Amino acid sequence: QKEVEQNSGPLSVPEGAIASLNCTYSDRGSQSFFWYRQYSGKSPELIMFIYSNGDKEDGRFTAQLNKASQYVSLLIRDSQPSDSATYLCAVNSYQLTFGKGTKLSVIP
Amino acid sequence: SAVISQKPSRDICQRGTSLTIQCQVDSQVTMMFWYRQQPGQSLTLIATANQGSEATYESGFVIDKFPISRPNLTFSTLTVSNMSPEDSSIYLCSVEGGPNEASEQYFGPGTRLTVT
Repeated sequence: QKEVEQNSGPLSVPEGAIASLNCTYSDRGSQSFFWYRQYSGKSPELIMFIYSNGDKEDGRFTAQLNKASQYVSLLIRDSQPSDSATYLCAVNSYQLTFGKGTKLSVIP
Repeated sequence: SAVISQKPSRDICQRGTSLTIQCQVDSQVTMMFWYRQQPGQSLTLIATANQGSEATYESGFVIDKFPISRPNLTFSTLTVSNMSPEDSSIYLCSVEGGPNEASEQYFGPGTRLTVT
């Protein structure tokens, strides 16, 4: 069974700090990897995707992928209170499998 | 990305009844998906709906309980049949596709269902 693991948190960081969110996956055949942000009571919003080893940067967000270690992470630089949400890692082999999410709290 | 709407946004239903959830997309898409998100949990795929063919259900989900229609490339419905309190959940439709090659999915706003 394909599994995607995330620390449930909550992860608390002060405003302006770097938030680091981690995810491991079990299926070595996975091809693409996604980070979704979900505010309470809202649906998931895609914020980053990555499918090659290494780093991918988009504004304050950086996704990192290491297929050998089956590990994907999301860094949020200069964290803002508006970044407080649950972050879902999703991994695509033949279907999208979601982790349980990490709740991030950015403290002003 | 596609703009996705769902109806109803929320409902409170009595056990034993059925509810049909609609998902409308503003552009033609091949793949549509239905997910369930139970309170405090992550997303679980119920089924994949392709236009012109039977929906493909994931383990633990059956057509009699969750019948799906996909009459065209912009619309799908999910029915939750013979509801019980355990069906209380958020139901989300999603579509695959965008300007990138990673097969990303985009979600509708969800339908919050409470069964009493």
